[in-house]
Amino acid sequence: SRELTQPPSVSVSPGQTASITCSGDDLGYKYVSWYLQKAGQSPVLVMYQDSKRPSGIPERFSASSSGNTATLTIAGTQVLDEADYYCQGWDRSDVVFGGGTKLTVL
Amino acid sequence: QVQLVQSGAEVKRPGSSVKISCKTSGDTFSSYTVTWVRQAPGQGPEWMGRIIPMVDVVEYGKRFQGRVTITADKSTSTVYMELTSLRSDDTAVYYCGRGPQGGGSGSYYLEFWGQGTLVTVSS
Repeated sequence: SRELTQPPSVSVSPGQTASITCSGDDLGYKYVSWYLQKAGQSPVLVMYQDSKRPSGIPERFSASSSGNTATLTIAGTQVLDEADYYCQGWDRSDVVFGGGTKLTVL
Repeated sequence: QVQLVQSGAEVKRPGSSVKISCKTSGDTFSSYTVTWVRQAPGQGPEWMGRIIPMVDVVEYGKRFQGRVTITADKSTSTVYMELTSLRSDDTAVYYCGRGPQGGGSGSYYLEFWGQGTLVTVSS
Protein backbone atom coordinates (compact mmCIF):
# COMPACT_ATOMS: atom_id res chain seq x y z
CA SER A 1 0.00 0.00 0.00
CA ARG A 2 1.09 3.58 -0.54
CA GLU A 3 2.49 5.57 2.32
CA LEU A 4 4.16 8.88 2.91
CA THR A 5 7.96 9.01 2.88
CA GLN A 6 9.87 9.56 6.12
CA PRO A 7 13.55 9.01 6.95
CA PRO A 8 13.88 5.70 8.80
CA SER A 9 15.93 7.23 11.59
CA VAL A 10 17.06 10.53 13.05
CA SER A 11 19.63 10.94 15.82
CA VAL A 12 20.09 14.00 17.97
CA SER A 13 21.93 14.94 21.15
CA PRO A 14 19.93 16.02 24.19
CA GLY A 15 19.12 19.72 24.04
CA GLN A 16 19.53 19.90 20.27
CA THR A 17 16.81 20.38 17.66
CA ALA A 18 15.40 17.37 15.85
CA SER A 19 13.66 17.66 12.49
CA ILE A 20 11.65 14.88 10.88
CA THR A 21 10.36 15.24 7.34
CA CYS A 22 7.38 13.69 5.61
CA SER A 23 6.83 13.89 1.88
CA GLY A 24 4.14 12.86 -0.57
CA ASP A 25 2.84 13.98 -3.94
CA ASP A 26 -0.54 15.09 -2.58
CA LEU A 27 0.64 16.25 0.83
CA GLY A 28 0.15 19.96 0.27
CA TYR A 29 -3.53 19.70 -0.56
CA LYS A 30 -4.83 18.66 2.86
CA TYR A 31 -3.87 18.72 6.52
CA VAL A 32 -1.00 16.76 8.07
CA SER A 33 -0.91 15.27 11.57
CA TRP A 34 1.95 13.82 13.60
CA TYR A 35 2.05 11.06 16.22
CA LEU A 36 4.69 9.58 18.47
CA GLN A 37 4.65 5.96 19.58
CA LYS A 38 6.75 4.34 22.24
CA ALA A 39 7.36 0.61 22.24
CA GLY A 40 4.28 -1.39 23.16
CA GLN A 41 2.06 1.68 23.51
CA SER A 42 -0.68 3.31 21.47
CA PRO A 43 0.25 6.33 19.35
CA VAL A 44 -0.06 9.82 20.82
CA LEU A 45 -1.12 12.86 18.77
CA VAL A 46 1.54 15.60 18.95
CA MET A 47 0.49 17.92 16.10
CA TYR A 48 -2.62 18.28 13.95
CA GLN A 49 -3.94 20.43 11.09
CA ASP A 50 -0.36 21.06 9.97
CA SER A 51 0.80 23.18 12.90
CA LYS A 52 -1.60 22.96 15.84
CA ARG A 53 -0.51 21.43 19.13
CA PRO A 54 -3.00 19.46 21.29
CA SER A 55 -3.34 20.41 24.92
CA GLY A 56 -0.74 18.71 27.06
CA ILE A 57 1.92 18.54 24.33
CA PRO A 58 5.02 20.58 25.22
CA GLU A 59 5.74 23.78 23.32
CA ARG A 60 9.04 22.35 22.11
CA PHE A 61 7.00 20.45 19.51
CA SER A 62 6.13 22.37 16.35
CA ALA A 63 5.33 21.52 12.76
CA SER A 64 4.92 23.10 9.36
CA SER A 65 3.90 22.10 5.88
CA SER A 66 4.97 23.57 2.57
CA GLY A 67 4.42 22.12 -0.87
CA ASN A 68 4.80 18.36 -0.77
CA THR A 69 6.82 18.22 2.45
CA ALA A 70 5.81 18.52 6.08
CA THR A 71 8.29 18.87 8.94
CA LEU A 72 8.02 18.07 12.63
CA THR A 73 10.51 19.97 14.77
CA ILE A 74 11.42 19.23 18.36
CA ALA A 75 13.42 21.99 19.99
CA GLY A 76 15.56 21.20 23.02
CA THR A 77 15.03 17.46 22.50
CA GLN A 78 14.84 15.40 25.66
CA VAL A 79 15.61 11.74 26.25
CA LEU A 80 11.92 11.12 26.89
CA ASP A 81 11.17 12.25 23.31
CA GLU A 82 12.83 9.08 22.01
CA ALA A 83 10.12 7.24 20.07
CA ASP A 84 8.85 6.35 16.63
CA TYR A 85 7.20 9.29 14.87
CA TYR A 86 4.55 8.96 12.16
CA CYS A 87 3.03 11.57 9.89
CA GLN A 88 -0.52 11.22 8.60
CA GLY A 89 -1.76 12.86 5.44
CA TRP A 90 -3.31 12.10 2.08
CA ASP A 91 -2.36 10.27 -1.07
CA ARG A 92 -4.66 9.95 -4.06
CA SER A 93 -7.78 10.80 -2.03
CA ASP A 94 -6.91 8.23 0.62
CA VAL A 95 -5.75 8.81 4.18
CA VAL A 96 -2.25 7.41 4.64
CA PHE A 97 0.54 7.32 7.19
CA GLY A 98 4.26 7.56 6.79
CA GLY A 99 6.48 4.56 7.35
CA GLY A 100 7.80 6.07 10.56
CA THR A 101 11.00 7.66 11.84
CA LYS A 102 12.85 6.31 14.84
CA LEU A 103 14.14 9.26 16.86
CA THR A 104 17.19 8.43 18.95
CA VAL A 105 18.36 10.88 21.58
CA LEU A 106 21.91 10.21 22.71
CA GLN B 1 -11.76 12.14 30.64
CA VAL B 2 -12.13 10.48 27.25
CA GLN B 3 -11.47 6.74 27.22
CA LEU B 4 -11.67 4.17 24.46
CA VAL B 5 -11.68 0.55 25.59
CA GLN B 6 -11.32 -2.17 22.98
CA SER B 7 -12.24 -5.83 23.08
CA GLY B 8 -9.62 -8.49 23.66
CA ALA B 9 -7.14 -10.30 21.45
CA GLU B 10 -8.40 -12.65 18.75
CA VAL B 11 -6.95 -15.64 16.92
CA LYS B 12 -8.62 -16.39 13.60
CA ARG B 13 -8.32 -18.85 10.73
CA PRO B 14 -7.66 -17.62 7.18
CA GLY B 15 -10.92 -16.91 5.39
CA SER B 16 -12.87 -16.14 8.55
CA SER B 17 -14.01 -12.77 9.94
CA VAL B 18 -13.25 -10.75 13.04
CA LYS B 19 -15.37 -8.12 14.78
CA ILE B 20 -13.72 -5.78 17.30
CA SER B 21 -15.49 -3.36 19.60
CA CYS B 22 -14.46 0.06 20.89
CA LYS B 23 -16.45 1.48 23.80
CA THR B 24 -16.06 5.20 24.33
CA SER B 25 -16.75 7.25 27.43
CA GLY B 26 -16.21 10.70 28.77
CA ASP B 27 -17.81 12.81 26.07
CA THR B 28 -20.79 13.14 23.76
CA PHE B 29 -20.38 10.01 21.70
CA SER B 30 -22.28 10.57 18.53
CA SER B 31 -20.89 13.94 17.45
CA TYR B 32 -17.25 12.80 17.24
CA THR B 33 -15.50 10.80 14.56
CA VAL B 34 -14.27 7.32 15.46
CA THR B 35 -11.55 5.88 13.25
CA TRP B 36 -10.00 2.42 12.89
CA VAL B 37 -6.30 2.06 12.18
CA ARG B 38 -4.20 -1.08 12.10
CA GLN B 39 -0.49 -1.62 12.54
CA ALA B 40 1.34 -4.74 11.44
CA PRO B 41 4.48 -5.71 13.38
CA GLY B 42 7.30 -3.27 12.63
CA GLN B 43 5.17 -1.27 10.17
CA GLY B 44 3.52 2.12 10.08
CA PRO B 45 -0.19 2.46 10.74
CA GLU B 46 -2.80 1.93 8.02
CA TRP B 47 -6.03 3.92 7.93
CA MET B 48 -9.00 1.57 7.61
CA GLY B 49 -11.98 3.90 7.89
CA ARG B 50 -14.10 6.00 10.19
CA ILE B 51 -17.65 6.74 11.26
CA ILE B 52 -19.50 9.81 12.51
CA PRO B 53 -22.22 8.16 14.61
CA MET B 54 -24.46 11.21 14.82
CA VAL B 55 -25.10 11.22 11.08
CA ASP B 56 -24.17 7.58 10.36
CA VAL B 57 -21.60 8.69 7.80
CA VAL B 58 -18.95 6.06 7.11
CA GLU B 59 -15.77 6.29 5.01
CA TYR B 60 -13.42 3.44 4.17
CA GLY B 61 -9.82 3.31 3.08
CA LYS B 62 -9.45 2.19 -0.52
CA ARG B 63 -7.40 -0.84 0.40
CA PHE B 64 -10.14 -2.14 2.72
CA GLN B 65 -13.28 -1.26 0.81
CA GLY B 66 -15.45 -4.32 0.35
CA ARG B 67 -13.82 -6.16 3.26
CA VAL B 68 -14.41 -3.86 6.22
CA THR B 69 -17.61 -2.65 7.87
CA ILE B 70 -17.72 -0.01 10.60
CA THR B 71 -20.87 0.44 12.63
CA ALA B 72 -21.93 2.28 15.77
CA ASP B 73 -24.37 1.56 18.58
CA LYS B 74 -25.34 4.94 20.00
CA SER B 75 -27.19 3.35 22.93
CA THR B 76 -23.94 1.89 24.30
CA SER B 77 -21.45 4.41 22.84
CA THR B 78 -19.69 1.55 21.09
CA VAL B 79 -18.18 1.38 17.62
CA TYR B 80 -17.51 -1.92 15.84
CA MET B 81 -15.14 -2.89 13.06
CA GLU B 82 -15.62 -6.12 11.15
CA LEU B 83 -13.00 -7.40 8.72
CA THR B 84 -13.84 -10.35 6.50
CA SER B 85 -11.91 -12.84 4.36
CA LEU B 86 -8.96 -12.73 6.71
CA ARG B 87 -5.46 -13.50 5.45
CA SER B 88 -2.20 -14.00 7.26
CA ASP B 89 -1.12 -10.45 6.38
CA ASP B 90 -4.10 -9.12 8.33
CA THR B 91 -2.20 -10.05 11.48
CA ALA B 92 -1.81 -6.72 13.25
CA VAL B 93 -2.76 -4.59 16.22
CA TYR B 94 -6.04 -2.84 15.49
CA TYR B 95 -6.69 0.53 17.12
CA CYS B 96 -9.74 2.71 17.39
CA GLY B 97 -9.28 6.42 17.83
CA ARG B 98 -11.51 9.41 18.46
CA GLY B 99 -11.17 12.51 16.38
CA PRO B 100 -12.81 15.91 16.52
CA GLN B 101 -16.45 16.75 16.16
CA GLY B 102 -17.96 16.67 12.70
CA GLY B 103 -16.39 16.01 9.34
CA GLY B 104 -14.39 18.11 6.93
CA SER B 105 -10.84 17.90 5.65
CA GLY B 106 -9.36 18.93 8.98
CA SER B 107 -11.04 16.20 11.00
CA TYR B 108 -9.01 13.11 10.18
CA TYR B 109 -6.60 13.22 13.10
CA LEU B 110 -6.98 10.92 16.12
CA GLU B 111 -6.85 12.76 19.41
CA PHE B 112 -7.51 9.79 21.70
CA TRP B 113 -6.62 6.14 21.10
CA GLY B 114 -7.78 2.81 22.41
CA GLN B 115 -5.34 0.31 23.88
CA GLY B 116 -5.22 -1.78 20.71
CA THR B 117 -6.46 -5.29 19.90
CA LEU B 118 -4.07 -7.92 18.55
CA VAL B 119 -5.60 -10.01 15.79
CA THR B 120 -3.58 -13.05 14.76
CA VAL B 121 -4.54 -14.87 11.57
CA SER B 122 -3.05 -18.32 11.39
CA SER B 123 -3.98 -21.78 10.21
